[in-house]
Amino acid sequence: KNEVEQSPQNLTAQEGEFITINCSYSVGISALHWLQQHPGGGIVSLFMLSSGKKKHGRLIATINIQEKHSSLHITASHPRDSAVYICAVLPGGSNYKLTFGKGTLLTVNP
Amino acid sequence: NAGVTQTPKFQVLKTGQSMTLQCAQDMNHEYMSWYRQDPGMGLRLIHYSVGAGITDQGEVPNGYNVSRSTTEDFPLRLLSAAPSQTSVYFCASSYMGLNRLYYGYTFGSGTRLTVV
Repeated sequence: KNEVEQSPQNLTAQEGEFITINCSYSVGISALHWLQQHPGGGIVSLFMLSSGKKKHGRLIATINIQEKHSSLHITASHPRDSAVYICAVLPGGSNYKLTFGKGTLLTVNP
Repeated sequence: NAGVTQTPKFQVLKTGQSMTLQCAQDMNHEYMSWYRQDPGMGLRLIHYSVGAGITDQGEVPNGYNVSRSTTEDFPLRLLSAAPSQTSVYFCASSYMGLNRLYYGYTFGSGTRLTVV
């Protein structure tokens, strides 16, 4: 069974700090997604990665397929970045069934 | 606005009642899916569909039924509600890219269901 582990579970930062959230998984995958869940509950897709690195604004996502590990970085964090960040993987051979981590609750204080 | 529309946002059911959660998307996405989110657990896949007339089970399908008669709509039916089905439900859609992976996951705003 594919396990998706995120760390840390909770993260508190001061505005302006550099944030790193980690995701490890146990089986080969086709792709990995990073999602953001707002305090109101809505879920937004941030990135989909198969290899390498992607950047969007202050967000950077990297993946190391060999080590079965991905990181989400937030530069110059802001209170509006406060949310739950969720990692989800698509196991190799399955195009349809995402497996989700439990999420990392990020709080950025002003 | 284009996206995924879920209704209702909140619902309270009595044990044994049935109901349908509605999900509609206007992006012509082939793939639609339903998830439940419970405290301390990741989202879990209930059912999914890769096109009209095609549905399949996810990780936790028991007690739920789906159908996909059109590309736009993917309703989730609770056949006989149980307290264990108290959860937040999300519908999502996505499209297949050239590499045959699904991109652009778009989620509905969620339905908070309580079964008493």
